[in-house]
Order: sequence, then structure tokens, then C-alpha cells
Amino acid sequence: DGGITQSPKYLFRKEGQNVTLSCEQNLNHDAMYWYRQDPGQGLRLIYYSQIVNDFQKGDIAEGYSVSREKKESFPLTVTSAQKNPTAFYLCASSGGAGQGRTEAFFGQGTRLTVV
Amino acid sequence: AQSVSQHNHHVILSEAASLELGCNYSYGGTVNLFWYVQYPGQHLQLLLKYFSGDPLVKGIKGFEAEFIKSKFSFNLRKPSVQWSDTAEYFCAVISYSSASKIIFGSGTRLSIRP
Repeated sequence: DGGITQSPKYLFRKEGQNVTLSCEQNLNHDAMYWYRQDPGQGLRLIYYSQIVNDFQKGDIAEGYSVSREKKESFPLTVTSAQKNPTAFYLCASSGGAGQGRTEAFFGQGTRLTVV
Repeated sequence: AQSVSQHNHHVILSEAASLELGCNYSYGGTVNLFWYVQYPGQHLQLLLKYFSGDPLVKGIKGFEAEFIKSKFSFNLRKPSVQWSDTAEYFCAVISYSSASKIIFGSGTRLSIRP
């Protein structure tokens, strides 16, 4: 089946530790995104990538890092510098500028809890 | 800064009432517009989308939205809501002038009284 796979579904992290969230897509989309969802704040953009080996900061990039070494993969690292990392993280992909700029397709999300 | 505004944070309606959720954006130029829905415990799914053409778009489950370019708006409507429409609704915009960056509004929580 085509789609976006995020793993793990639930993740617990101790304070001071870095943790990496996985996102894989088999939709052949150029663009990929990471959003953070908090109650009452909607989806806030952390990082996005329009093409392999390129990515840009979104509105709340501080304390996060990403890589885009392969078209189908866009992992997000939540570093110890992120002050309030407990949240629900959503990965998405869409057709890029050369693919008709489709709507975003979402994974099922990863709920990260700092303990 | 480019932004998407959803002014209604929480809407409570009775079954069979009509629904209109507001969405305004601040981008200039060509935009694509979307409404997504998130049912409790489920992932985001697309309700409808506007790319070009007829500004009145029909989506799934009886929803529709109207793109009014002069008002920078894309309001979501449904003539008669059901209890199963209880969910959170998100408006989203991608601007052709700002690369491939999809920006979401803060969401509107819709509660339907049976």
C-alpha cells in the first residue's frame, strides 16, 4: 500500500537525551514535512524539504534537526535543546513544484513523552 | 508573515444545524487551499481541496467550501451536521510564491450534541 509510515507510535525519552523519529514514504513525493501538534495550537511546521539533500526551517525549528539523504526518508531528531518536547509529531509528504503540488498526506504520528 | 487564521476555536452545534467554519489566509498570489479533518484518535484526512476553477468545491461527507479570492477566505460549510461530524477541522494553504510549504491554521474543534 502507498503511504507514509511513522515509527514508533509512542516514544518515551529521558530529559537530556536526543531521540530520532522515523518517517518513510513510498508515494514518490518530492516534498516532506514535520509538524508538531499541541492542543489548541494546530499543526506547527518544524522543518520541510522540497527535494533530496535540501531542507528548510519552519516556524519552530529550534531544538530540532532533520536530514534528507533519500527521497523516501525524512527523519526528525528532537535534541536536548528542545525545551518542551512532549507533543504529538506528524510527518507528511506532498507532490513538489514539479509534481503538481498535491495535498499533504499524513502518517499516523508519533507521541513523544519526556519522562 | 504568512499565516492561516481559523477564528472559531470551539463550535458546539445540535444535530441538523448548519455549519460554517471560517478560514482566512495572508498569502498573496496563487494558492492551493485545503480542509482536513481529524476524528478522535484518528489521523488527519483530507475533506476537500481547491486548486483552480470553480471556487465552490465539494468534498466528502457532504462538506463544501467556497474560495473567495478578494476576501482571502476559504470557509467550510455543511447544511446539516451529524453527531459523527464531531472532530477537529484544519484549514491549510500552500502558496506558489513560498515554495512547497503547507501552512495550517490552529484548528476548530466541532462538538455536535445528539
